[in-house]
Amino acid sequence: DSGVTQTPKHLITATGQRVTLRCSPRSGDLSVYWYQQSLDQGLQFLIQYYNGEERAKGNILERFSAQQFPDLHSELNLSSLELGDSALYFCASSPRQYVGELFFGEGSRLTVL
Amino acid sequence: AQTVTQSQPEMSVQEAETVTLSCTYDTSESDYYLFWYKQPPSRQMILVIRQEAYKQQNATENRFSVNFQKAAKSFSLKISDSQLGDAAMYFCAYRRHMQGGSEKLVFGKGTKLTVNP
Repeated sequence: DSGVTQTPKHLITATGQRVTLRCSPRSGDLSVYWYQQSLDQGLQFLIQYYNGEERAKGNILERFSAQQFPDLHSELNLSSLELGDSALYFCASSPRQYVGELFFGEGSRLTVL
Repeated sequence: AQTVTQSQPEMSVQEAETVTLSCTYDTSESDYYLFWYKQPPSRQMILVIRQEAYKQQNATENRFSVNFQKAAKSFSLKISDSQLGDAAMYFCAYRRHMQGGSEKLVFGKGTKLTVNP
């Protein structure tokens, strides 16, 4: 158990819908990363937050947004969903802004029908 | 471009035997970290081993060890005495600096390891 909690574990929805994925980092970790894992693209970095502030953006679509709250949990919002958004979404945390290693949650499996 | 390449999409090994998974990376940085992560069918990403580029000594963690060749930008993972529980996807990752001083991990496409009894 990494200490990183993600909900929901599985989610099935329809095209055009909006979903929210939630992540609670390890106790004491200030930095949260979101990654998308798909069969064709592998693990792709989406966005990073550190202590409530956005620090870096990767290949995140404009339809996607995220935030980190004062209690350090984070949410990833995916809107106007398309079939291609079906993937495993990972949250990972680390104690600080600079990555020694990342501690991953179990992921949220999103299926868009 | 700073990338990570795993040239073996799939590998198999007999239980109790040794297997080596390959990884090469491309970077212009001099100070960096490299990682191997394991993703079993449970899908959680688990850190197997990490290597700091400034350390000449290869990292080891029990049955897992790396062969780090900095000049060749190669970072292979050796699994000794393979066990059924080692069956998983293995991802090589490189810690990359980003604008603004932050960092992220860049992952290879992965190698699926099958352990045969």
